[in-house]
Amino acid sequence: GNSVTQMEGPVTLSEEAFLTINCTYTATGYPSLFWYVQYPGEGLQLLLKATKADDKGSNKGFEATYRKETTSFHLEKGSVQVSDSAVYFCARNTGGFKTIFGAGTRLFVKA
Amino acid sequence: GAGVSQSPSNKVTEKGKDVELRCDPISGHTALYWYRQSLGQGLEFLIYFQGNSAPDKSGLPSDRFSAERTGGSVSTLTIQRTQQEDSAVYLCASSLGQSSYNSPLHFGNGTRLTVT
Repeated sequence: GNSVTQMEGPVTLSEEAFLTINCTYTATGYPSLFWYVQYPGEGLQLLLKATKADDKGSNKGFEATYRKETTSFHLEKGSVQVSDSAVYFCARNTGGFKTIFGAGTRLFVKA
Repeated sequence: GAGVSQSPSNKVTEKGKDVELRCDPISGHTALYWYRQSLGQGLEFLIYFQGNSAPDKSGLPSDRFSAERTGGSVSTLTIQRTQQEDSAVYLCASSLGQSSYNSPLHFGNGTRLTVT
């Protein structure tokens, strides 16, 4: 079937630690892949995207590389900040316009 | 410019009552989506509108749920005979749609529905 699976949270890190949030997908065809972020008290917003294999999306120090061979789109950041505390959602669409989201991973960053 | 606006922001209703949730998308966005976010769950797709095409209703969980979009702009999600399991945050999003299918979704802040 078509789905998005991401690591369960919460993830708790100290400031300046390295972050990885795993995401894998199943889909027919060649989906576009996204990471959305929901900061406390705010709506979801796009963090980054990649539209084809080997593309790397990046924004605000976050990166994710579209890996077709492993059907993965893991989110990484080299040095997290307290302000990165949020819920992160991996998502995909496939040609059409229905975007499917993972369950979300809550990140807590301690000072 | 103005983002996606949803109202009300919070709604408490008694089991069995009907509720209407409203979404004003970003001007010029032809695509509009409704999602449901339950506690500890991801975003569950409900329904999608694109221009004048027939909506994709494949995510609506039961026939108690319906949605319409008037004039290609404002949308209303209606839940009839609400049940406690309908309690969730209902999110609306819009995007540029078919002209740019990779265009991101722009979300409203949601309506938190509590059915008592």
